[in-house]
Amino acid sequence: QVQLVESGGGVVQPGRSLRLSCAASGFTFSTYAMHWVRQAPGKGLEWVAVISFDGRSKFYTDSVKGRFTFSRDNSQNTLYLQMDNLRPDDTAVYYCARDGVDRYYFDSWGQGTLVTVSS
Amino acid sequence: VMTQSPVTLSVSPGDRVTLSCRAGQSINGKLAWYQQKPGQAPRLLIYGTSTGATGIPARFSGSGSGTEFTLTISSLQSEDSAVYYCQQYNRWPLTFGGGTKVEI
Repeated sequence: QVQLVESGGGVVQPGRSLRLSCAASGFTFSTYAMHWVRQAPGKGLEWVAVISFDGRSKFYTDSVKGRFTFSRDNSQNTLYLQMDNLRPDDTAVYYCARDGVDRYYFDSWGQGTLVTVSS
Repeated sequence: VMTQSPVTLSVSPGDRVTLSCRAGQSINGKLAWYQQKPGQAPRLLIYGTSTGATGIPARFSGSGSGTEFTLTISSLQSEDSAVYYCQQYNRWPLTFGGGTKVEI
């Protein structure tokens, strides 16, 4: 079965960096686009970024453009989200999610990793 | 902008429940619904307005067109207590509604 496992979350000061990972298994990873979606504490869902199956195309929500970089290693079935110049409003649970067949919804989700940006 | 109503719904087991989602402009039927229980990741229920995701019980159904969409739970079960989100995938950025909390 599809499994997505995020890691790398933690507490970080404003302006610092953090890198999240998402390990995928149970499907042919290299044929799917993938996403990050986040959820601030007690709030709704916010799409963050998408990466194409081959890593060549990426789109980001405006609030993270220029600060976050989404990448993937298809040989390791792993996604990465490099988050630089973090701000307090980046505090959230970050989920990796697999793209649906009809693009671009989310048919499988990881359990999430919490990022807290605070001094 | 995706707008969901109501924000909270208090219901009883066996009730027929209807949740609404309105888009600011036509989204060409590219709408998905998710269920999220406390402390869990969201789960895909419906995509393409009305196509049920794998393993989703038949009591969940979706309908709508243009800018108005509906998620219906035909006979509510106690395990359906959750927050339900709609999401459009017709244009960037992908956006979610604010959610409807279903309380039993």
